[in-house]
Amino acid sequence: TQLLEQSPQFLSIQEGENLTVYCNSSSVFSSLQWYRQEPGEGPVLLVTVVTGGEVKKLKRLTFQFGDARKDSSLHITAAQPGDTGLYLCAGADTDKLIFGTGTRLQVFP
Amino acid sequence: ETGVTQTPRHLVMGMTNKKSLKCEQHLGHNAMYWYKQSAKKPLELMFVYSLEERVENNSVPSRFSPECPNSSHLFLHLHTLQPEDSALYLCASSQGGVRDPGELFFGEGSRLTVL
Repeated sequence: TQLLEQSPQFLSIQEGENLTVYCNSSSVFSSLQWYRQEPGEGPVLLVTVVTGGEVKKLKRLTFQFGDARKDSSLHITAAQPGDTGLYLCAGADTDKLIFGTGTRLQVFP
Repeated sequence: ETGVTQTPRHLVMGMTNKKSLKCEQHLGHNAMYWYKQSAKKPLELMFVYSLEERVENNSVPSRFSPECPNSSHLFLHLHTLQPEDSALYLCASSQGGVRDPGELFFGEGSRLTVL
């Protein structure tokens, strides 16, 4: 059974701090997506990475896909309270998306 | 109007009740999904409907029954549920089909509590 492990599971930080969230698997994925889910909402796509070693930036968020396409990281610079939410990675398998275990981020003012 | 709409947002039911969750997508997408989101567990795919086929997770109990009358509407019929079925049920749609979904667009979810 494919599994995407995310770490840390919970993260509570002050506004202005930097953080990195990891998404790891023993399986190779053709692409990997990152979603953010805010309380009371459904997940919303942030980015899709496709090529091994690919780096994508979305304002203060930097996403990286591992060279072997088995893992990914999300780095947030100068976190803000609006970044609070559940961050989910999802790997594309041959016929479905496999979601990770999630990282719940709380950013305090 | 939001892209994917789910009703009801909250549902409390007894173990002997029969209820249904409804999902409607206004995006013209080709595939619709039901996911279950439980505490401390990854999002679990329950069912997928697309123009080409229906795919289901074989581990989903038969007390959950999907219905997809057309490409814009998806239902999840619930009967004789168990307390462990309490969870957030998320509907999603995608432009891509089952084999290559691409981005998923989620609804806000239906929070189900089974007493």
